[in-house]
Amino acid sequence: DGGITQSPKYLFRKEGQNVTLSCEQNLNHDAMYWYRQDPGQGLRLIYYSQIVNDFQKGDIAEGYSVSREKKESFPLTVTSAQKNPTAFYLCASSIKGAEETQYFGPGTRLLVL
Amino acid sequence: QKEVEQDPGPLSVPEGAIVSLNCTYSNSAFQYFMWYRQYSRKGPELLMYTYSSGNKEDGRFTAQVDKSSKYISLFIRDSQPSDSATYLCAMRMNYGGSQGNLIFGKGTKLSVKP
Repeated sequence: DGGITQSPKYLFRKEGQNVTLSCEQNLNHDAMYWYRQDPGQGLRLIYYSQIVNDFQKGDIAEGYSVSREKKESFPLTVTSAQKNPTAFYLCASSIKGAEETQYFGPGTRLLVL
Repeated sequence: QKEVEQDPGPLSVPEGAIVSLNCTYSNSAFQYFMWYRQYSRKGPELLMYTYSSGNKEDGRFTAQVDKSSKYISLFIRDSQPSDSATYLCAMRMNYGGSQGNLIFGKGTKLSVKP
């Protein structure tokens, strides 16, 4: 089955700790995205990558970092500099240039202890 | 002024009703218009997208775009309890790079009662 997987489903972060969210896809898509969703809010773009070894900041990149070493993988690190990290994080992928057809993973819910 | 406006609801309808969900937008350069369905605590699922103006139908779902009014709609016929979810509209310009990124509405929560 082709699709996007995210792990873990729930993640707890302590103060001052960096945590990494995993995103893997087997759709052979070049482009991958990270979004943040807060209650009652639309999705906001954190980072995106259209090709391996290249990525761009989205609207709310501060306090986050990413890497794109493999086509299939686009991990997101929430650093200690992100002061309000509690949210639902969604990873998506698409064919490059076809951003209108993004496929989403099941999401990771990040909570602060 | 927000780029994409969407009434958050909640919207409650009886089973079998016709549901109308809507978004308005301010950027006349938007060319692609998407509707996503999101069940509670799940990732969004793309229902359909439309390029420029016009209608598109897929089973019980019909998407309409009126670019002159900057208004898009999603109609659900013969609504079912399984349609209960949050519906997100999204839009993008027909450009590459950051200008082609999706802009989302906040979503409308729909409840279909048996």
